[in-house]
Amino acid sequence: TQLLEQSPQFLSIQEGENLTVYCNSSSVFSSLQWYRQEPGEGPVLLVTVVTGGEVKKLKRLTFQFGDARKDSSLHITAAQPGDTGLYLCAGARNYGQNFVFGPGTRLSVLP
Amino acid sequence: SQTIHQWPATLVQPVGSPLSLECTVEGTSNPNLYWYRQAAGRGLQLLFYSVGIGQISSEVPQNLSASRPQDRQFILSSKKLLLSDSGFYLCAWGAMGSAFFGQGTRLTVV
Repeated sequence: TQLLEQSPQFLSIQEGENLTVYCNSSSVFSSLQWYRQEPGEGPVLLVTVVTGGEVKKLKRLTFQFGDARKDSSLHITAAQPGDTGLYLCAGARNYGQNFVFGPGTRLSVLP
Repeated sequence: SQTIHQWPATLVQPVGSPLSLECTVEGTSNPNLYWYRQAAGRGLQLLFYSVGIGQISSEVPQNLSASRPQDRQFILSSKKLLLSDSGFYLCAWGAMGSAFFGQGTRLTVV
């Protein structure tokens, strides 16, 4: 069974601070995605990384895919209250036929 | 552009009653379709996925079933709900190694 672990589970920081959350697995994935989810809503895709070592930037968010395609990190610079939410990583398996999700990191950014 | 519709948004059902949740996708053909369940504030558990009409793969044994009667329609059903079926159900479609989700259905079995 391919499992994804995420750390930390919970993170509470002040506005303006930087943070990094991690997604780790013992399995190799063809691609890995990051989502943000707000209460009562479906997850919203932030980014998909495909190539080992790949780095993608989305405004203040930087995503990195590990060289071995088993892990990923999400770094947020100068966090804002609007960044608050549940951050989920997911790995594509069976040639992208379906996806396995990590348990998520719940981020709270205090004004 | 592609859109995904899932309804209802909330549902309260008594134990032993049937269930039917519907999901439709617009703007794409032959999508992979998924049903996930999410425990409160946590990760998503894959229940079913489908790569085509009438093709359903089940990830976990349970009290639920899924059907895909049309290319862009995916239905989650149960004949008799259990208390443990309560949760947040999410439909999604997949392409290019990414999944795109509907708004979810909050099901409470009482």
